[in-house]
Amino acid sequence: EAQVTQNPRYLITVTGKKLTVTCSQNMNHEYMSWYRQDPGLGLRQIYYSMNVEVTDKGDVPEGYKVSRKEKRNFPLILESPSPNQTSLYFCASSLETGGHTGELFFGEGSRLTVL
Amino acid sequence: KNEVEQSPQNLTAQEGEFITINCSYSVGISALHWLQQHPGGGIVSLFMLSSGKKKHGRLIATINIQEKHSSLHITASHPRDSAVYICAVPPRRGAQKLVFGQGTRLTINP
Repeated sequence: EAQVTQNPRYLITVTGKKLTVTCSQNMNHEYMSWYRQDPGLGLRQIYYSMNVEVTDKGDVPEGYKVSRKEKRNFPLILESPSPNQTSLYFCASSLETGGHTGELFFGEGSRLTVL
Repeated sequence: KNEVEQSPQNLTAQEGEFITINCSYSVGISALHWLQQHPGGGIVSLFMLSSGKKKHGRLIATINIQEKHSSLHITASHPRDSAVYICAVPPRRGAQKLVFGQGTRLTINP
């Protein structure tokens, strides 16, 4: 089954404790991206990757890191989480580079709370 | 940067009604996405379109590139259509990322 898998789905952590949200897709997609969703602000792009070892900032990259060492995986790293990173996070992938020219496939979301 | 506006923000209708959700953007683009987010939170891609019209079941999406406007229609609406509908476009032509509308919360009452 074609899918994008995120882990963990739910996480409560404390300020400053490094965490990684994993994202994996089994569709051999080139494009992968991370978004956060906050009430009143909608979805905003954090980082995206057009292929292995090619990543770029989205609109709200501060406080986040990403890596794309393998085509299927695109982890989101919070080196020192802060309460303003409490949010619902989505990973997505697309066959077409850019995402805006191909159908997007979303993970189920990861709800992160930073105390 | 492309500004994306959706209307209405909230829409409540009775089962069976014809629904229209609108999306306007400010900068010329090559494609637009319509997404659906159910109360449980998951997001599903409904359409990606660059011109004309696409149809999937009871859902129809249209786009007018010249007028920078897209509409999502739902025919014979059903309570299970209750969700937030989101349009997304590149911030400028050729950009490798997306900006999103605020979403339209649709509630269909039985």
